Amino acid sequence: DAKTTQPNSMESNEEEPVHLPCNHSTISGTDYIHWYRQLPSQGPEYVIHGLTSNVNNRMASLAIAEDRKSSTLILHRATLRDAAVYYCILRVNYGGSQGNLIFGKGTKLSVKP
Amino acid sequence: EPEVTQTPSHQVTQMGQEVILRCVPISNHLYFYWYRQILGQKVEFLVSFYNNEISEKSEIFDDQFSVERPDGSNFTLKIRSTKLEDSAMYFCASNSGSRVNEQFFGPGTRLTVL
Repeated sequence: DAKTTQPNSMESNEEEPVHLPCNHSTISGTDYIHWYRQLPSQGPEYVIHGLTSNVNNRMASLAIAEDRKSSTLILHRATLRDAAVYYCILRVNYGGSQGNLIFGKGTKLSVKP
Repeated sequence: EPEVTQTPSHQVTQMGQEVILRCVPISNHLYFYWYRQILGQKVEFLVSFYNNEISEKSEIFDDQFSVERPDGSNFTLKIRSTKLEDSAMYFCASNSGSRVNEQFFGPGTRLTVL
């Protein structure tokens, strides 16, 4: 699996937008970009994924660079509950393959009231 | 909303003892996984399971580990002879097999080996 690079930690104020960057310069054409997060004392939780186009869901938005060598997870209004470790993971998605996730160290997001 | 459940939430055992960690994946899911996380470290993949057999396993998943789906609902991880370094949070996950490859994780079992 291609490698991703994320900052170790970031801080945000409550109610403000947060942009969490991820670099994946060795991404291949078949790699999807997945984001998971892990709240304190909980298991990881799926956030969003994308291939080439920007994606929105109820939790977040994913902005993917045109060359796909980087992406940004956007939390539009951070809440205290968004304090977690955020993981950017590359996975090949193809029919019948549902392989394991390779977690890095992720970005620890702190949200200040 | 359906969720993955795991029991027990905390298991304490003596070194050398066998432990079985239990998981109930989401009912219509087809792919099952075990991961572990040693305190303060990364989440590490152990094994994936599909169609009643192991589909992938990591170097961590040696002969001391085994998995089983004994019935239509449970998915278990057995450690035959626990070592101190097996102390960790163990997470079970499941996946429906859709193109999204979204894995749903359980709350984990904290294993403490004394």
